This record gives sequence, C-alpha cells and structure tokens, in this order.
Amino acid sequence: SSELTQDPAVSVALGQTVRISCQGDSLRDYYPSWFQQKPGQAPILVIYGKNNRPSGIPDRFSGSISGNIASLTITGAQAEDEADYYCNSRDSSDNHVVFGGGTKLTVL
Amino acid sequence: EVELLESGGGLVQPGGSLKLSCAASEFIFSNYAMSWVRQAPGKGLEWVSSFSGSGADTYYADFVKGRFTISRDNSKNTLYLQMNSLRAEDTAVYYCAKDVFTHNSGSFDYWGQGTLVTVSS
Repeated sequence: SSELTQDPAVSVALGQTVRISCQGDSLRDYYPSWFQQKPGQAPILVIYGKNNRPSGIPDRFSGSISGNIASLTITGAQAEDEADYYCNSRDSSDNHVVFGGGTKLTVL
Repeated sequence: EVELLESGGGLVQPGGSLKLSCAASEFIFSNYAMSWVRQAPGKGLEWVSSFSGSGADTYYADFVKGRFTISRDNSKNTLYLQMNSLRAEDTAVYYCAKDVFTHNSGSFDYWGQGTLVTVSS
C-alpha cells in the first residue's frame, strides 16, 4: 500500500497564508481529500477532487497538486482554523484509502 | 441534514467480538459508498474498510483483513462492522463516513460522532 507524508506541525500568523503539504505516489493517480479536525470532534471535509469545497467551507481554503505533492492552502488564516489537518487519497494499487499522518496547524 | 449515528462500541477483552452499527438518514443511502475510519487515542486517522454504493464491492485495510467484516442493509439505511479477534491495538474511536461518490474515493463528506472501542483485559 502507498503512504502519504505530512509535516507534523506548521504555524502561521493570524491573517497570513499557510500551505500544508502531503506527499505520496498515489497522488500521481488520484486527487487527495483534505480534512480538518478539532479536538474532540469528528473530521470535516474541506477540499476534495481537483479543488472542490463542500458547502459551508470558506473560500480561503483551496487545494492544488504538482506531481506527487498536494497542498492545502489557507489564505488569510483565522484563529478558528487552528486544528489538525489530514490528507488522504485512494491507493493506486488496491482501491484502498490511505491517510497522511496529519499536520497540526497553530495560528499565532 | 445528513446524519450518521454509530452505536455498538464498548469494552471487550482481547480475542473478543463487537458489532458496530451506523444508522444513516436524510440521503439516499444506497447511492453512496460508506466507510469505517478509526482513530486511536492521540493518534491520526486510519482507514479501516469501505463498501461501495453499487454492487457489493468491499475493501479492507491489511491490518483487519480476515478479522473484520463490513456489511450494509440498504433497506434499513444502516452500515455495519463486525469485528472479531480483537486486539489491544484495535482500541480506537470508530467513525462511520459517507463518501461523496458511489465508488470508494476517500472523499468523506459526512462523519458520525464516533463510537469508542476499548480492547483490554
């Protein structure tokens, strides 16, 4: 099975732009999904497909991909964006789903 | 509003069994792939199993293959996970998740609140 690698922690100043990355071979074949999870809560889908935002997700969240590296960009980070962020994708070989290890975002 | 309500978690001894249920409402259940995702205490998300929304395709993570069985009853809008031969490392919150698509894409747009499974003697 494939693996997705994320930086364990990232910080951003309030109102600035931050990019959270996710790297893995499966991303050459499948777009990732991105999830936000706050302590004690279930995850929330924030980006899926090429760059699709579910209803209710602010447009400051966007997704992009280059080769085997996907990025979640938050343009103008807000205090409420402080959370853990996970990427996932389908696995290229076996139709499984693989998650990255997660990135803890701190908004300073 | 879409709702997913898990039940069936609890404390079980190593080697024991549990069956989780996920009752779905406010969407056409049979049209979408459904999955189980778990999260061990203080750890990240881990995909467990999926069931396609069409046909009867099922998928399992290698670490549960042969021990867990996913099923769905479209007439009852309910997803299940039968867990046998449980191990301490299966201790986690188990989430039920709805896929955006009929096929297993990993794009989970709705999640339940989770049910805690604790495997301990």
